[in-house]
Amino acid sequence: DAGITQSPRHKVTETGTPVTLRCHQTENHRYMYWYRQDPGHGLRLIHYSYGVKDTDKGEVSDGYSVSRSKTEDFLLTLESATSSQTSVYFCAISGGNTGELFFGEGSRLTVL
Amino acid sequence: GEDVEQSLFLSVREGDSSVINCTYTDSSSTYLYWYKQEPGAGLQLLTYIFSNMDMKQDQRLTVLLNKKDKHLSLRIADTQTGDSAIYFCAESGATNKLIFGTGTLLAVQP
Repeated sequence: DAGITQSPRHKVTETGTPVTLRCHQTENHRYMYWYRQDPGHGLRLIHYSYGVKDTDKGEVSDGYSVSRSKTEDFLLTLESATSSQTSVYFCAISGGNTGELFFGEGSRLTVL
Repeated sequence: GEDVEQSLFLSVREGDSSVINCTYTDSSSTYLYWYKQEPGAGLQLLTYIFSNMDMKQDQRLTVLLNKKDKHLSLRIADTQTGDSAIYFCAESGATNKLIFGTGTLLAVQP
C-alpha cells in the first residue's frame, strides 16, 4: 500500500470554525491531491499540488485553501466551515508510469 | 468540459457476470482507470487501459474501450459477494488531474 496517512480520520465541528485536514506521504511523490466525495457526485477535485509551494485549484475550490511547505505534507484548510462542507475528504498522490492515483483512507468531516 | 458518467446502481446474482459502463468526454485522455471502493475505505486501483488499446483482460476483469463512442466498460466474471462495492471510472484528461465518474454501486445477491 502507498504510504499515505490522513488525519484526523473523523471530525465533528460547528459552523464557522476553522478546520485543517492533513495528508502525509512517505513516497516522495511530487503530485498530491485533495478530493471530496459526496453521494451522487462521485469524487470532485478541490485542490492539487505539483510541488512544494506549488498548488492549483480544482473544480470545487471555493471555501478551501491548501498549503504545501514540504514534499510529504499537504494541508487542506476550511477557514470557516459550513454545513455544505460536510463530506468525506480523500487525499491522493500520483505515482507510477501510468498516472494512477493512490488514495488515503479518507477523513469524514461533519459540520453542524 | 471534462465529464464522466456512470449509472448509479447495478444488482447481480452471485456467479453471474457484471458489466459496469462509463462514458467520458475528453478524447485526449491517455489512460482510463477503474477503481474499487469498499465501505469505509479509500479507493483502490483495479485496472487501467491505455487509450490505444480496445481491450484488456486481467483474471476475472475485462476492460473494453470504444474510443469512437468514448465508452468504457468493466466486466467482472463469476461475480462474488466480495465484489460488492462502489466502482469508479476515471479519465486522465489533458492534465495530471484525474476526473472521476459518480460511481456505480454493485450489489451482489447470494
